[in-house]
Amino acid sequence: GNSVTQMEGPVTLSEEAFLTINCTYTATGYPSLFWYVQYPGEGLQLLLKATKADDKGSNKGFEATYRKETTSFHLEKGSVQVSDSAVYFCALSEKDGANNLFFGTGTRLTVIP
Amino acid sequence: NAGVTQTPKFRVLKTGQSMTLLCAQDMNHEYMYWYRQDPGMGLRLIHYSVGEGTTAKGEVPDGYNVSRLKKQNFLLGLESAAPSQTSVYFCASSSPTAQNEKLFFGSGTQLSVL
Repeated sequence: GNSVTQMEGPVTLSEEAFLTINCTYTATGYPSLFWYVQYPGEGLQLLLKATKADDKGSNKGFEATYRKETTSFHLEKGSVQVSDSAVYFCALSEKDGANNLFFGTGTRLTVIP
Repeated sequence: NAGVTQTPKFRVLKTGQSMTLLCAQDMNHEYMYWYRQDPGMGLRLIHYSVGEGTTAKGEVPDGYNVSRLKKQNFLLGLESAAPSQTSVYFCASSSPTAQNEKLFFGSGTQLSVL
C-alpha cells in the first residue's frame, strides 16, 4: 500500500539555521511527491513537488529531491526565517484522478528570532 | 480571490446533535474533498466528489454523509455527532487537468463534540 512517514516534531530552530525535515514513502509504483505547508489558521498550500526520480522541487528557498533508491523526499532550507513557522506535510500521489493523495502526519516548525 | 471557503469556522455540538458543514469553491473545479485532521494522524480523506451529483467514500467515511448538488458546493453532514468526531475539518478542491497534484484547501472548521 501507499504511505508516507515524516520525522516527528516539533522542530524549533533559530532564525538563519539550516532546516531538514525527513520524509520517506512506500508505494507500489512510481509516485509523484509533494510538500504542503500549513500556516497558522490557514488551510494547506502546495509548497513544492517532484514527479519523477532525481527531480528537485523548489520554492521560496525550500528544496526537496526525489530519491528513488532511498524512497525519500527530505525537505531542506538553508536559512529559515520566522515567517517559515508552520506545519509541513509530505504527501504522495501514485495515479491520476481523485482519491490518490496520501499525507504524512505533519511536522511543526517554529523559528525563533 | 475567494478560492475555497468553509463555513462555519468553529462549532461546538453536543453528542447526538446534527450539523452540516458547507464548502464553496469559485475556481470551477471538478473534484472536491473533505478531510479531517487529527493530532499525530495527518489528514484523512472522509468523502470526495469527482463532479456534480457524484460522491464517493474515502478512508474514514463512517458517521458522515455528503452531497454535491451544485458543482461549486460540497456539503458534509453529521447526522448524530459523537465525541470521536471532534476534529479539524478541511475542504479541498482540484482540477482533473492537474491530475490531482495540486489541491486548494479552505481554512478549516474546528468542531468539538461534547
